[in-house]
Amino acid sequence: GQQVMQIPQYQHVQEGEDFTTYCNSSTTLSNIQWYKQRPGGHPVFLIQLVKSGEVKKQKRLTFQFGEAKKNSSLHITATQTTDVGTYFCAVNNDMRFGAGTRLTVKP
Amino acid sequence: NAGVTQTPKFQVLKTGQSMTLQCAQDMNHNSMYWYRQDPGMGLRLIYYSASEGTTDKGEVPNGYNVSRLNKREFSLRLESAAPSQTSVYFCASRLWGGQPQHFGDGTRLSIL
Repeated sequence: GQQVMQIPQYQHVQEGEDFTTYCNSSTTLSNIQWYKQRPGGHPVFLIQLVKSGEVKKQKRLTFQFGEAKKNSSLHITATQTTDVGTYFCAVNNDMRFGAGTRLTVKP
Repeated sequence: NAGVTQTPKFQVLKTGQSMTLQCAQDMNHNSMYWYRQDPGMGLRLIYYSASEGTTDKGEVPNGYNVSRLNKREFSLRLESAAPSQTSVYFCASRLWGGQPQHFGDGTRLSIL
């Protein structure tokens, strides 16, 4: 069956450093969504990618969908303490979630 | 503007007890979902309802049943709770497949 791998599992950065998380699939994806979950909170939708090679930006966040539509990345430039949380990818219409990347930021 | 409302927020059960988790959305969404999230892990889909009147199994359906009571409400039932079902349960909804999901605040369930 389809497997969704997210790496890394954890990332600890100094405030101001960049951060990237990757989502990799064993099969071609129709779409991918990214969510953020703050500690103790619920997942909140960030973005959806549909097209091969698509790149979308939200302020300091850059989302990319691979050319083969089997992987995606989320990059945060100059992290802030407000970026703390776990970032999940969710794939296809059946919403299979990756295990997430937990980001901690040291002020 | 409530969004997705889950009740209760916290619950402690004894092994073998039964309970129903309630979920309601006021966004006129067609699809509703139940997930469980174990510590340090992602969300695993238990059951979903693509539209009113339909329900389907997700990744981890064993030990659970669901009811799509109407378009607004989707409940999750544990018939005989087991310690392995200790988890945080999230309900979510979306307009239809391919749209963003909106999540409730979760139910923290402990089974002793």
